[in-house]
Amino acid sequence: DVQMTQSPSSLSASVGDTVTITCRASQAISKYLAWFQQKPGKVPTLLIYAASTLQLGVPSRFSGSGSGTDFTLTISSLQPEDVATYYCQKYNSAPLTFGGGTKIEIK
Amino acid sequence: QITLKESGPMLVKPTQTLTLTCSFSGFSLRTSGEGVGWIRQPPGKALEWLALIYWDDDERYNPSLKSRLIITKDTSKKEVVLTLTNMDPVDTATYSCAHFHDLRGLDVWGPGTTVTVSS
Repeated sequence: DVQMTQSPSSLSASVGDTVTITCRASQAISKYLAWFQQKPGKVPTLLIYAASTLQLGVPSRFSGSGSGTDFTLTISSLQPEDVATYYCQKYNSAPLTFGGGTKIEIK
Repeated sequence: QITLKESGPMLVKPTQTLTLTCSFSGFSLRTSGEGVGWIRQPPGKALEWLALIYWDDDERYNPSLKSRLIITKDTSKKEVVLTLTNMDPVDTATYSCAHFHDLRGLDVWGPGTTVTVSS
């Protein structure tokens, strides 16, 4: 089965910083990669699908890139409301494996 | 507008079988490429995908839990049911269902339901 490895597992950044999270698949998954944001006490919400397509209503400071095995989620100009844990997930075929998550805090 | 909501027991005893129902609206689960998935998250831990049922009744399971899981759908009732047998305290988690689309993945989630396994 394809494993999804996210890094870093946590990071602390200042408001206004650009933040990048990476997700690596152990085998190629084309562009079938989604990014989720999970705020404390809430279920995840979809941010990006097909590796780089922003879900409706998601602020444009979020962007995604990559294909095959290597993917990135970038938050340009980090805002206080972006404090959350972010997950990647493959969905080209089952099992729909999640990455281990990246917790973002504000310095 | 797509919505989903999970229902089921909040507390189950070890060795019992957990049955959760996902009631949905805003889609039919009869459209090619569509499905409903289940995901869980133990307290303080990462998300774990459990199962997915497609519009055509194809079922997919997490290999590590496959022997304990069954997913079924009733499109007339707009429900998807997940069964997890032989519950253990390590199965304590928030269980969520989500709408799946083959181009977007798990794009809309229910609010989740917390299940505790304890005697």
